[in-house]
Amino acid sequence: DTAVSQTPKYLVTQMGNDKSIKCEQNLGHDTMYWYKQDSKKFLKIMFSYNNKELIINETVPNRFSPKSPDKAHLNLHINSLELGDSAVYFCASSQDPPGLHSPLHFGNGTRLTVT
Amino acid sequence: DAKTTQPNSMESNEEEPVHLPCNHSTISGTDYIHWYRQLPSQGPEYVIHGLTSNVNNRMASLAIAEDRKSSTLILHRATLRDAAVYYCIPLSNFGNEKLTFGTGTRLTIIP
Repeated sequence: DTAVSQTPKYLVTQMGNDKSIKCEQNLGHDTMYWYKQDSKKFLKIMFSYNNKELIINETVPNRFSPKSPDKAHLNLHINSLELGDSAVYFCASSQDPPGLHSPLHFGNGTRLTVT
Repeated sequence: DAKTTQPNSMESNEEEPVHLPCNHSTISGTDYIHWYRQLPSQGPEYVIHGLTSNVNNRMASLAIAEDRKSSTLILHRATLRDAAVYYCIPLSNFGNEKLTFGTGTRLTIIP
């Protein structure tokens, strides 16, 4: 069974559209994350949730809205997509917030292409 | 946040040991040193972490300098599957910290 799964794996859409990426983890972890990896391969944290509460919210446009319906899911909704949103988005989870000896487990990413 | 310096790239022959260095001269006393790697077309995966003592697990060993200003990730016998970008990340153990990835070292394994 895949520990952290994201859907879809690929997403191609036009500017101005609204899209969602779903993430589910079956590890029983309390903390989930969204990371963005741009074309230069820089990997940056966007959001983190612990027990469905937002604990990290980096400087991300308001068009990005994470939603955690339960501890096992963290979805990312993006409104009014722009060309610069094209990237690979990674979901991750950990038992505890980072730093408490709890490694992050990453999904295999969703490649978003905005045309 | 502690800054890290890693070589942009390294090469190693298959089945030989690989030593991946990381400088973190501004590391604080409470920062653990975490290593992750990212294989092609995959998400990052945890490799190992430590504070002061050398650490071993099934994937690798971590050698930490006595002054903690540098560390070395050791792959004892590199395989083609070890070709990846390796990230060294100092991280406080206080919780709610951000796991922040730098540029890492791209390791190429030569068959």
